[in-house]
Amino acid sequence: EAGVTQFPSHSVIEKGQTVTLRCDPISGHDNLYWYRRVMGKEIKFLLHFVKESKQDESGMPNNRFLAERTGGTYSTLKVQPAELEDSGVYFCASSHKEGPGQNNSPLHFGNGTRLTVT
Amino acid sequence: GNSVTQMEGPVTLSEEAFLTINCTYTATGYPSLFWYVQYPGEGLQLLLKATKADDKGSNKGFEATYRKETTSFHLEKGSVQVSDSAVYFCALSDHISNSGYALNFGKGTSLLVTP
Repeated sequence: EAGVTQFPSHSVIEKGQTVTLRCDPISGHDNLYWYRRVMGKEIKFLLHFVKESKQDESGMPNNRFLAERTGGTYSTLKVQPAELEDSGVYFCASSHKEGPGQNNSPLHFGNGTRLTVT
Repeated sequence: GNSVTQMEGPVTLSEEAFLTINCTYTATGYPSLFWYVQYPGEGLQLLLKATKADDKGSNKGFEATYRKETTSFHLEKGSVQVSDSAVYFCALSDHISNSGYALNFGKGTSLLVTP
């Protein structure tokens, strides 16, 4: 089965520009998560979709970030306008059942998108 | 909220050396604990997990024991290989909504194994 795929793998943009990251979860996985790792810091939870619904977006840093998952398949994360502190690696993950703490519902991560804002 | 603290890196070891990467956690309740690994150019992969106190997770020669009394989940391997060079993340599950969980990660520890 294909894994979680993220596009692009790298993105370099200027401050003030807009960038859209895409995540294709594993087919059939209802749960989709976005995480971010800023250089030298923890990987932080951003938000969680169950199908097309946002289950929790408490980790979104501010209203410059917009995530969507139309149709409950792939998801996009848009940053508009981008700021320098948005630089980091954005990871997407999916799982079949809710909860990485539950048995038989491991999170499958993509390779991440490295975003650099200059 | 729940959180994990892991030792700062980078850690550099010679091949066949013993590895310990410390991880301690702060949590209410009884979260599940995980170690994830990120090899160069790849995504995060689950290395091992433990879901309750005294459980030992193991995989690829790595192991970690869920210690409730010391709130720790240290990662160990008896003899590292060059191919183990990667970034290792300790994580725990955290309840984020009525029906959902998310992972809380540590900062990651970079390991470099030299021949």
